[in-house]
Amino acid sequence: EVQLLDSGGGLVQPGGSLRLSCAASGFTFTNFAMNWVRQAPGKGLEWVSGISGGGGSTSSADSVKGRFTISRDNSKNTLYLQMNSLRAEDTAIYYCAKSLVVVPTTIDFWGQGTLVTVSS
Amino acid sequence: QLVLTQPPSASASLGASVKLTCTLSSGHSSYAIAWHQQQPEKGPRYLMKVNSDGSHTKGDGISDRFSGSSSGAERYLTISNLQSEDEADYYCQTWTTGSNVIFGGGTKVTVL
Repeated sequence: EVQLLDSGGGLVQPGGSLRLSCAASGFTFTNFAMNWVRQAPGKGLEWVSGISGGGGSTSSADSVKGRFTISRDNSKNTLYLQMNSLRAEDTAIYYCAKSLVVVPTTIDFWGQGTLVTVSS
Repeated sequence: QLVLTQPPSASASLGASVKLTCTLSSGHSSYAIAWHQQQPEKGPRYLMKVNSDGSHTKGDGISDRFSGSSSGAERYLTISNLQSEDEADYYCQTWTTGSNVIFGGGTKVTVL
C-alpha cells in the first residue's frame, strides 16, 4: 500500500526557514518523480517543485525559485523541501505528491499535507 | 503558454449526472490531463488520467460512477448517479515539456 507521510510544518516568522519531509513507503521510491504542491487558505492547488526519480533533475514554480529547494534521499525513501526567506504568502498546506513515472507528469498519489504558517 | 481553464462551479441533483470540463490552451490540444477530487477539509485524491483520444486510466478504488472523455482541447470528467459525497472541488492537472506541473483553477460541485 502506497503511503506518503508529510511532516515538518509549523509557525515561522517572515524571513525564516523551514524544512519539510515526506516519508514514502509501499513502492520503489527511486522509480518515480516526486512533487510538492501547496494550497493557501481558501485557494486552489499550486505546484511548487518537482524532482526526477534519480534526483538529478529538478524544476520549480517561479514564485519559489531561489528560495525553495527540493531534494530526495533515495536510501531513506524520503523527499524534502527546504524553504528559506519565507513570506506571508507562503502560508499554506503543503502536500507531498507522487508522479506516475520517473519525471514529474501525472500526479497519482497524495500525502495528507502539513501546514506552514508564516507570521510574526 | 500552457493553461488549464475550468468553470468555477457546477451543480446537479442527487442521482443525476454532471459533466465537468477542463480546457487546454491553444496549441496544446494533444496533452493528457489528470483529474483530482478534494472533498471538504480533506487532501486531494487522484481520480484518473485522460488522454487526448478519450481513453482514461483510473486510480485504485475509484468508483465506476466516474468516467473520462475528450474532444479537441477539452477534457471531461463525468460523475454519474451523483451522491452527497461527490460534493467536492475537482481539479485538472497537466505538465509542460520542462516537467513543470500545471493545475486548473478547480470546479466546485454542489449536489442539490
